[in-house]
Amino acid sequence: DAGVIQSPRHEVTEMGQEVTLRCKPISGHDYLFWYRQTMMRGLELLIYFNNNVPIDDSGMPEDRFSAKMPNASFSTLKIQPSEPRDSAVYFCASSLLARVGSSNTGELFFGEGSRLTVL
Amino acid sequence: AQKITQTQPGMFVQEKEAVTLDCTYDTSDQSYGLFWYKQPSSGEMIFLIYQGSYDEQNATEGRYSLNFQKARKSANLVISASQLGDSAMYFCAMREDPFRNTGNQFYFGTGTSLTVIP
Repeated sequence: DAGVIQSPRHEVTEMGQEVTLRCKPISGHDYLFWYRQTMMRGLELLIYFNNNVPIDDSGMPEDRFSAKMPNASFSTLKIQPSEPRDSAVYFCASSLLARVGSSNTGELFFGEGSRLTVL
Repeated sequence: AQKITQTQPGMFVQEKEAVTLDCTYDTSDQSYGLFWYKQPSSGEMIFLIYQGSYDEQNATEGRYSLNFQKARKSANLVISASQLGDSAMYFCAMREDPFRNTGNQFYFGTGTSLTVIP
């Protein structure tokens, strides 16, 4: 089974440009998470979805950030306009809800990340 | 209050020795899951080991074991017989009440950077 797929892997853009990061979760997973990782702030949760519905977006830095999950197999994270301080690695991760009696642990499966550099 | 606390920003261990990476957590849920992830310099996040709050035995996965002390709310990762390839950042994480059907997020610690010395 394919893992979580993110694109692009690397993006270099200029300040003020729109950036769209894409994620395909593992088929059948209930949850999708977007994280941002920087040296200064570590791993930050931006937003997560359950069954395509945004549950908590309190980690989204500001209105320049938006995320959508139009269907169970696709999500986007958009930054418009981008700023140099948005430079980071953005991870998408998906998981199944752990269920009583199942061997599923509810662990997060991460994509390889999208490294964004805003000049 | 922090949900996950990792107090060791950096650790060094001699090759072939064992090392313990500390993690404490904070939750009022009775049912929760604890996880450890490894992030090598290449950047990917690799799941290592899981401990459920109701599991009576400490989890083990090969050279990894989780020293779970529920009363102390600690979930330390023990790596036995360290190898050079174990040099990486290690993150402790918690998912509260994984059986709850409404949203429940993962909480991550700040990580511990482990360096294995030859």
